[in-house]
Parts: sequence; C-alpha cells; structure tokens
Amino acid sequence: GNSVTQMEGPVTLSEEAFLTINCTYTATGYPSLFWYVQYPGEGLQLLLKATKADDKGSNKGFEATYRKETTSFHLEKGSVQVSDSAVYFCALRFSGGYQKVTFGTGTKLQVIP
Amino acid sequence: DVKVTQSSRYLVKRTGEKVFLECVQDMDHENMFWYRQDPGLGLRLIYFSYDVKMKEKGDIPEGYSVSREKKERFSLILESASTNQTSMYLCASSLGQGTAPLHFGNGTRLTVT
Repeated sequence: GNSVTQMEGPVTLSEEAFLTINCTYTATGYPSLFWYVQYPGEGLQLLLKATKADDKGSNKGFEATYRKETTSFHLEKGSVQVSDSAVYFCALRFSGGYQKVTFGTGTKLQVIP
Repeated sequence: DVKVTQSSRYLVKRTGEKVFLECVQDMDHENMFWYRQDPGLGLRLIYFSYDVKMKEKGDIPEGYSVSREKKERFSLILESASTNQTSMYLCASSLGQGTAPLHFGNGTRLTVT
C-alpha cells in the first residue's frame, strides 16, 4: 500500500536557522504531494503542494520539490521564525479511485528565540 | 475561505454511550473525511464519503459508523464508546480531485471515561 515516512521529531532550532524536514513516500504511480501545518489547538491547513515530478511548491518562505527519482518531498525554509513552531505533516493523494489521502506521522518543530 | 465546522471542541463521555460527532462544510465539497489523531501515530483515516449517502471504510473503521444525508454534513458515530476511542477527531473536506487539498476543522477532543 501507499505510505509516507517523515523524519522523527521534535526538531528544535534557533530563530533564523535553516530548516529541513525530510519526507519520502512509497506509492504505485505518481501521486500529488502535500505539506500541511498544524498550529497548537488547531486543525491542519495546507502549506504547499506539488502535483507532478520536478514541481516546486512554495508558500510563506517554505519550499519543497517533488523528486520522483528519490520519491522524496523534503520541506525547507531558509530562516525560521518563532511563529513557525508547529507540527508539519507530509501527505500524498492520488487522482484515481476514491482519492484517499495518506499522511506521515508528523514532525514537531520548535523554534526558540 | 472554506470553513469546516466541528460541533464540539471538547467532549467527555462515559463508556458504553452512543456518541455523535458532527461536521459541516460550506463549500459544496464532494469529499468528506473523518480522521483520528494520536501521538506518535499521526492521522489515521476512519471513514470517508465521496457523495451524499456514499461512504467508504478507511484504515480503522472498527467501532465507528458514519452518516451523510446532506452534502454539507458528515457525522461520525461511536455506537458504544470505549476508553480506547479517547482521541482527537478531525473532520476534513475537499473537492473530488486528486490534486485538491483537504480543508480541516479544528478538531474535537473526545475523552471516554
């Protein structure tokens, strides 16, 4: 079946540090890939997405590139802020069938001043 | 902006009670989902619906049922609540396309005592 693997957290960084959160997937075919963010006390919200190989999704200074060769979709940000502290989820979704979404287990990021 | 509203933020129920969790979306989305979120396990799909009166089991449907009588409303039912159903429950909706992101409610924290 399909699966998404994220790096274990929590990740603790100082403000203005560079962020990478690794995400790899296992799937038959070519899904769309997503990063969602969950701030404390809230539901998940879409951060960015990419729908085909070599696409780069970006939003709020975050970026991720769909790498078909390595089946990866790593999340990066050049300079994190305290307000980026949250849990980040990588996910995949196919166009066919019932379009179920498969999530990773989430990576908690804490940014300290 | 899409709004997904879950009827309760916190809920405390006793073992054996029948529990209803309600979710309403205001964007005419075809797909609706119920997930539970537990520490270390990420999001696990309980049920989803791709149309009115249509439903499909997710990865962990045991002990749960759902109802979708109207397009905007998707209810999760715990027929006889048990302590292992204590969790955060998240409802989501989306357009019926594989590239479409999910829109989440803020969650219901259910405690079964």
